[in-house]
Amino acid sequence: QVQLQQWGAGLLKPSETLSLTCAVSGGSFSGYIWSWIRQPPGKALAWIGDISHIGMASYNPSLKSRVTLSVDASRGRFSLRLNSVTAADTAVYYCARGFCSGGNCYLGRRFDPWGRGILVTVSS
Amino acid sequence: QSVLTQPPSVSAAPGQKVTISCSGSSSNIGINFVSWYQQLPGTAPKLLIYDNNKRPSGIRDRFSGSKSGTSATLVITRLQTGDEADYHCETWDGSLSSVVFGGGTRLTIL
Repeated sequence: QVQLQQWGAGLLKPSETLSLTCAVSGGSFSGYIWSWIRQPPGKALAWIGDISHIGMASYNPSLKSRVTLSVDASRGRFSLRLNSVTAADTAVYYCARGFCSGGNCYLGRRFDPWGRGILVTVSS
Repeated sequence: QSVLTQPPSVSAAPGQKVTISCSGSSSNIGINFVSWYQQLPGTAPKLLIYDNNKRPSGIRDRFSGSKSGTSATLVITRLQTGDEADYHCETWDGSLSSVVFGGGTRLTIL
């Protein structure tokens, strides 16, 4: 049973950099896309981006200028960095294992399982 | 404002059936596969349906999905109190080059 454990700072000041890491256990790291999704309090889920085990990344265009995803396949971990945070970045951040529909990520993706989520609050 | 439109809430009694809609466009649902997630209060989302109508291992057949044109539908039959949760649809949008989610629908069991 694949499990994702995530960690990182939960309280940031405006302009600081958000940094989260997710560790995968109980399954293979290769052959999937490793994803980050966030959910502002009381709002909809929003995809941040994902990265393959060899480091090929895709980003939500609305966040691309501020986001960097990285992967350490040897340790089964992947990370998110979001710079210049503002209050609008306050959200629960989830990591998840992603699959591409029919092997084509541009036909659809699904996310299963998800990490437990971390609430990141940006406040001065 | 979400790219995919879901009703904010639906409700039904135990044992009944409920339908949750997800409306999109020709750049997302119209040409791509849809997934559905269940999010119980205070927990992470859980995959319910993928590729429009497939269930992952362990998901009961009370949950089913379909797609027609630019809309998708999640149907839950034989409702139980434990089904009370938020339900989210999701797909890829080719025009936005992004995964997009619906705004979520809160299911209340009466």
